[in-house]
Amino acid sequence: GAVVSQHPSRVICKSGTSVKIECRSLDFQATTMFWYRQFPKQSLMLMATSNEGSKATYEQGVEKDKFLINHASLTLSTLTVTSAHPEDSSFYICSAVDPNYGYTFGSGTRLTVV
Amino acid sequence: DAKTTQPTSMDCAEGRAANLPCNHSTISGNEYVYWYRQIHSQGPQYIIHGLKNNETNEMASLIITEDRKSSTLILPHATLRDTAVYYCIVRVEDNFNKFYFGSGTKLNVKP
Repeated sequence: GAVVSQHPSRVICKSGTSVKIECRSLDFQATTMFWYRQFPKQSLMLMATSNEGSKATYEQGVEKDKFLINHASLTLSTLTVTSAHPEDSSFYICSAVDPNYGYTFGSGTRLTVV
Repeated sequence: DAKTTQPTSMDCAEGRAANLPCNHSTISGNEYVYWYRQIHSQGPQYIIHGLKNNETNEMASLIITEDRKSSTLILPHATLRDTAVYYCIVRVEDNFNKFYFGSGTKLNVKP
C-alpha cells in the first residue's frame, strides 16, 4: 500500500522560533496533500490543502501567514509553523492521495513549544 | 459532506465482536461511508469504506442500512490492539475531496 512519511516525529522548540515539518509520499506522486492539527483529546482538524505548484488553500480560521505551506514537488509538502508559541503545541498530521490506494495519513509530528 | 453522529465511547471484551454504530441521516446518493481509526499518537489508519452494499475485508465488516442513513462497523474478534478512536466519515469519493473528521468513538477493548 501507499506510505506517507512525516519528519520529524517529535520536535521541541523555543517560543518565537519557526519549525518546519516535512510530509513525503513514498512510491507515489501526490499533487494534493492535506495538513491536519490535533489537540489532546480532540479530533483532527483540517488546516489546509497543499497543491503542488500552486498556493495552498486554508480552512476558515487558519492563519496562512502563521502556517506556511510549500508543495514544491510531487512527493514533498512542508508545513512551517512561524514564530511558534506554546498554544501552537499540537499533533500535526499530513495526508496524501495515492491514485491506487486513496487517502493515506502520515504518522504525525508532535510539536512542543516551550 | 454529510454530518455523522457516533457514540463517544464503547467498551468491548477481548475476543468478542465490537459493533460501532454511525448515524448519517443526511447522506446523499453519491456519498460513501468511510471508517478510519486512530491509535494513540499515530496517524489515522484506513479500515473500510462502502456506498450501499455491505463490505468485508481482512480488518472489518461494514453494514449499511438499506436507507443508508446509518451504518455499523464490525470488528469480529476484538483484541487489545484494537483499542483506538474510530471515525466514521461520509464524503464523495473524489481524490481531491477533503476528509472532515467528527469526534469519533473511543473503543476500549478490555481483557
